[in-house]
Amino acid sequence: AQRVTQPEKLLSVFKGAPVELKCNYSYSGSPELFWYVQYSRQRLQLLLRHISRESIKGFTADLNKGETSFHLKKPFAQEEDSAMYYCALSNAGGTSYGKLTFGQGTILTVHP
Amino acid sequence: DVKVTQSSRYLVKRTGEKVFLECVQDMDHENMFWYRQDPGLGLRLIYFSYDVKMKEKGDIPEGYSVSREKKERFSLILESASTNQTSMYLCASSLTYGGGNQPQHFGDGTRLSIL
Repeated sequence: AQRVTQPEKLLSVFKGAPVELKCNYSYSGSPELFWYVQYSRQRLQLLLRHISRESIKGFTADLNKGETSFHLKKPFAQEEDSAMYYCALSNAGGTSYGKLTFGQGTILTVHP
Repeated sequence: DVKVTQSSRYLVKRTGEKVFLECVQDMDHENMFWYRQDPGLGLRLIYFSYDVKMKEKGDIPEGYSVSREKKERFSLILESASTNQTSMYLCASSLTYGGGNQPQHFGDGTRLSIL
């Protein structure tokens, strides 16, 4: 069975501080990892995926297969980053029709 | 831009009622999904569909069924609503492309209260 764990329900930082949202997974196959974000009163949307290897809104995430982690990082947090963040996993082979397993979510609050 | 529309933002029903939640997408996506979102539990997959009339159980299908008669529409049915089905329900859709996983696009959600 596949599992995604986000150990922090709540994370608070001050504006300009670095932020790291943790994500660990367990999966026997080849995983594809995503971060989704939900801002206040907005719909859930994709933030980034590991195969794209790109930085979105200053966020990056590296897949570490040895540590089975996909932590989300940003060097200087902004108040507009305050949101609910979900880590999600899918089968990289694409045989699961894109079915995702989500973590429990982390609420990030960036204080001024 | 992909549009996933859920028919109701808020819904209040009574225990034992049969409840229908509707979802429509306008981008010809093959895959559609129903999740429930609960604090501390994240999103949990109820059912998904990869083609018209095709459906598969997710992680928590008990007490739910689905219908996909047309490609753009995916309905979630609570056969006999119970109070523990009070939750936020999210619909999503995605494209099947090149054997890889395409991002899921979500609706605004339906907050369902069962009294």
